[in-house]
Amino acid sequence: AQSVTQLGSHVSVSEGALVLLRCNYSSSVPPYLFWYVQYPNQGLQLLLKYTSAATLVKGINGFEAEFKKSETSFHLTKPSAHMSDAAEYFCAVKRGGSEKLVFGKGMKLTVNP
Amino acid sequence: DTAVSQTPKYLVTQMGNDKSIKCEQNLGHDTMYWYKQDSKKFLKIMFSYNNKELIINETVPNRFSPKSPDKAHLNLHINSLELGDSAVYFCASSTNTGELFFGEGSRLTVL
Repeated sequence: AQSVTQLGSHVSVSEGALVLLRCNYSSSVPPYLFWYVQYPNQGLQLLLKYTSAATLVKGINGFEAEFKKSETSFHLTKPSAHMSDAAEYFCAVKRGGSEKLVFGKGMKLTVNP
Repeated sequence: DTAVSQTPKYLVTQMGNDKSIKCEQNLGHDTMYWYKQDSKKFLKIMFSYNNKELIINETVPNRFSPKSPDKAHLNLHINSLELGDSAVYFCASSTNTGELFFGEGSRLTVL
């Protein structure tokens, strides 16, 4: 079965600092991997996705993630945090051919001025 | 134009009541979902329909019954509401590559 692990529940960074949100996956077959963002009182919005093309994936709002098969990781990064990045971030995994998208437990990002 | 729309946005009701949440998508997607998000923000899939056919049915109590009258609509009916049903329920639809588009959520509070 597919699963993702997001260790910890909260990350706090200063405005302008590097953002690094970790995600490790478990999948018996090559997975599709996703990062979603949820702003307060809103639904989830896709940031980026990996679907077995380039291992470095660029998303919206300056975010990117790198698929590393040897580490079973898909960490999300942004070089310089902005106040508007404060939100909940979810990593998710899907097996090719399956309709089921499984989410990690989420990570709350706080950006301090 | 809203891509995935859910109504109502807020529901407050007493234990034992029955309630429904409606969802509509205008994206032309074949697959739709219901997810439950608890107070700790954990997202759990409940159901998925593809072209009006049920394809995913997680271990959800029988009190929850989805209905898909056509591929653009997926409604959720909940009987005999319990305190533990309080959550935010999200409807979503997906592309062939699995990218999900979410509605804004329906916050259910059971008193």
